[in-house]
Amino acid sequence: EDQVTQSPEALRLQEGESSSLNCSYTVSGLRGLFWYRQDPGKGPEFLFTLYSAGEEKEKERLKATLTKKESFLHITAPKPEDSATYLCAVQASSGTYKYIFGTGTRLKVLA
Amino acid sequence: SQTIHQWPATLVQPVGSPLSLECTVEGTSNPNLYWYRQAAGRGLQLLFYSVGIGQISSEVPQNLSASRPQDRQFILSSKKLLLSDSGFYLCAWRDRGRYEQYFGPGTRLTVT
Repeated sequence: EDQVTQSPEALRLQEGESSSLNCSYTVSGLRGLFWYRQDPGKGPEFLFTLYSAGEEKEKERLKATLTKKESFLHITAPKPEDSATYLCAVQASSGTYKYIFGTGTRLKVLA
Repeated sequence: SQTIHQWPATLVQPVGSPLSLECTVEGTSNPNLYWYRQAAGRGLQLLFYSVGIGQISSEVPQNLSASRPQDRQFILSSKKLLLSDSGFYLCAWRDRGRYEQYFGPGTRLTVT
């Protein structure tokens, strides 16, 4: 069964304290892995798509990496405005249109 | 550029009342469209997806239904709401040439 597990569930960082969020996945052939940022009461905002192991994408203080079993979202020198829930999702290459989402990591960055 | 709209933003409805949530996408043609429900502490649950006008696939058997009367319009409906229908409803679209989804602002539904 296709599955996505994110850890930790919640993370508190001091401003400037770098860390990583984990997304472990089990899927019958990966078409793509997606990272989103979601602020309270709003829809998820697309961040990155990763297609194959070894691929990396960067945007400002965020860097996403992918292996055959997991993805990491590295946050370098975070600021309070990076506080949000970060969601990971996968799409299998089995021909369906479905996306499997994790439950997210709630990140709080303290000033 | 592409834009996705959802309305209403918030809705409070009594049990047994009907529901209609609307989603429209601008700036693209023939997108794949999705309805999700997000409950606190849980991942996004796919409810319906559509690959074209009148083509709807249901993922979860329940008292909700969806329709796509126009290329860029997706409607979520119910004849009689249940308390368990409360949640945050999200519409999303995907360009046929790409794999990432883009989400609307969401509708917070509270059934009382």
